[in-house]
Amino acid sequence: DAKTTQPPSMDCAEGRAANLPCNHSTISGNEYVYWYRQIHSQGPQYIIHGLKNNETNEMASLIITEDRKSSTLILPHATLRDTAVYYCIAGGAYSGAGSYQLTFGKGTKLSVIP
Amino acid sequence: DADVTQTPRNRITKTGKRIMLECSQTKGHDRMYWYRQDPGLGLRLIYYSFDVKDINKGEISDGYSVSRQAQAKFSLSLESAIPNQTALYFCATSDPGQGAGNTIYFGEGSWLTVV
Repeated sequence: DAKTTQPPSMDCAEGRAANLPCNHSTISGNEYVYWYRQIHSQGPQYIIHGLKNNETNEMASLIITEDRKSSTLILPHATLRDTAVYYCIAGGAYSGAGSYQLTFGKGTKLSVIP
Repeated sequence: DADVTQTPRNRITKTGKRIMLECSQTKGHDRMYWYRQDPGLGLRLIYYSFDVKDINKGEISDGYSVSRQAQAKFSLSLESAIPNQTALYFCATSDPGQGAGNTIYFGEGSWLTVV
């Protein structure tokens, strides 16, 4: 998996958009960008993933730069329940018997403030 | 009900004892994983299995063993527990055949304390 760099912590006002950045300058062409979050000590929760195109689902949007060296996770209207550690992972390319695992770093601790 | 279920959720055991953590899943996924989480260190992969006949070591397999009893069941054993194995353990599953990438789904975690 490619190495990722995230800020250790961020604050966001409740109701505002939370924009979480991630650098993955060594990502290879067939590696995906995944975002997970972990609330307290619960199991990490899948949020979204993408390869080249921007993606959106009911939880968030993922913006990937054209050179794929960085990405941003956007929570459009942050709530107190979005307070969590957010992990950006570059990897998990499916190649049959090849890559399989996702390497979790330390993530960004997002605090949503009332 | 959770798709990935871990038992026990909490366990305190003594040094030198054998302990097994069990995991079962209802997602129908072939791939299963065991991760360990220590404060400030993120998640680290212990073992993974692509199917019932396939077992692979992860980043930190020493001191652990696993058994894939069925597609839906993957257990982690500590043959002789030691205090530095005190951690939060997660089981996970994935199914790359669903489409793009290899999205992993986690259980709720098992707290293990070795005293």
